[in-house]
Amino acid sequence: DIQLTQSPSFLSASVGDRVTITCRASQGISSYLAWYQQKPGKAPQLLIYAASTLQSGVSSRFSGSGSGTEFTLTISSLQPEDFATYSCQQVHSYPWTFGQGTKVEIK
Amino acid sequence: EVQLVESGGGLVQPGGSLRLSCAASGFTFSSYWMHWVRQAPGKGLVWVSRINSDGSTTNYADSVKGRFTISRDNAKNTLYLQMNSLRADDTAVFYCARDLYGDYYFDCWGQGTLVTVSS
Repeated sequence: DIQLTQSPSFLSASVGDRVTITCRASQGISSYLAWYQQKPGKAPQLLIYAASTLQSGVSSRFSGSGSGTEFTLTISSLQPEDFATYSCQQVHSYPWTFGQGTKVEIK
Repeated sequence: EVQLVESGGGLVQPGGSLRLSCAASGFTFSSYWMHWVRQAPGKGLVWVSRINSDGSTTNYADSVKGRFTISRDNAKNTLYLQMNSLRADDTAVFYCARDLYGDYYFDCWGQGTLVTVSS
């Protein structure tokens, strides 16, 4: 199975900060990667797919980049509603796997 | 509005069975592949199973293969997960999720249903 390792696991930031989260794959996955946001007690929400395609309805302050084994999710200016856990997912190879998550909290 | 609503979770003893349902509305259910994803308390997301649009093809994570069965009734717009031989490590919130374009990205999720396996 392809392992996805996110860094950092925990991030403390302030409103207005630029935030970057990294997801590394244990083997090359081309651009077959998605990012999800999950708030406590809620279902995940798709933010980015195919590494850099913004899902319909998602704010343009979210962006994704990368290919192969290293990917990043960037929030250009952190807003109060962005404090949540972010997870990456690979869809290159079955079984489809997720990263362990990065929790973004208010500094 | 696209909506997925899970039901059927609860407390079950080890070795027991449970059937989860996911009622879909607001879209043409029969056109979409569907998935089950679970999340143990305080842990990350884990893909469980997927079924194609007409129900003819299914896949399972190794951890549930032979114990769980995914199915669907397109006439009732409902997805199912039959879970047998449940173990303590199956304890999780189970989500149903819609596949975006058949590419295994999940663009719509239900609110989840909690399955607790304990004696």
